[in-house]
Amino acid sequence: KAGVTQTPRYLIKTRGQQVTLSCSPISGHRSVSWYQQTPGQGLQFLFEYFSETQRNKGNFPGRFSGRQFSNSRSEMNVSTLELGDSALYLCASSLAQQAGELFFGEGSRLTVL
Amino acid sequence: GQNIDQPTEMTATEGAIVQINCTYQTSGFNGLFWYQQHAGEAPTFLSYNVLDGLEEKGRFSSFLSRSKGYSYLLLKELQMKDSASYLCAVASGATNKLIFGTGTLLAVQP
Repeated sequence: KAGVTQTPRYLIKTRGQQVTLSCSPISGHRSVSWYQQTPGQGLQFLFEYFSETQRNKGNFPGRFSGRQFSNSRSEMNVSTLELGDSALYLCASSLAQQAGELFFGEGSRLTVL
Repeated sequence: GQNIDQPTEMTATEGAIVQINCTYQTSGFNGLFWYQQHAGEAPTFLSYNVLDGLEEKGRFSSFLSRSKGYSYLLLKELQMKDSASYLCAVASGATNKLIFGTGTLLAVQP
């Protein structure tokens, strides 16, 4: 079966712009989690959605938001981009709410200039 | 607060055994995971421990001591393809949030 799909894979934005990233989980998976990965900080938890509801939230400013649709696909949005937002954004899906194995997508690499 | 510590880098020789340690302090504990991430690729699941003791899966084993807040990943018969970052992650809290350590970059040398 198809894995977790993230789009776009690479994108370049400038400070002040906003960006939307998309994640399609494995078919049948209802939980989608988002992580930011940077060389210095590792994988930082952003938020988790389950059945269209945000169940968990990390320690990121309100500029970071997300949502999940009825087909379990998820989007995350970052507004008023800052240079420090440059990172790899990883999406992971699981059958239930962050229980058991997470299946990660290849990520969306965002560069903010 | 929540804290997960693991060494930043390790080097080992092909064919040898290496142990990657992870210590954690979390509010609540629902299980500990190890993931492998090759450069430029997505993390992939290696192991899961929820009870104390050793879980063996082929060349990889993972150990957990809940009382000590400690785990290790043991890699035997190292191969060059084992060069990767190894991420320790703890699930905690009522909502089972999964928190990752910063990862250990393992370099396997010939």
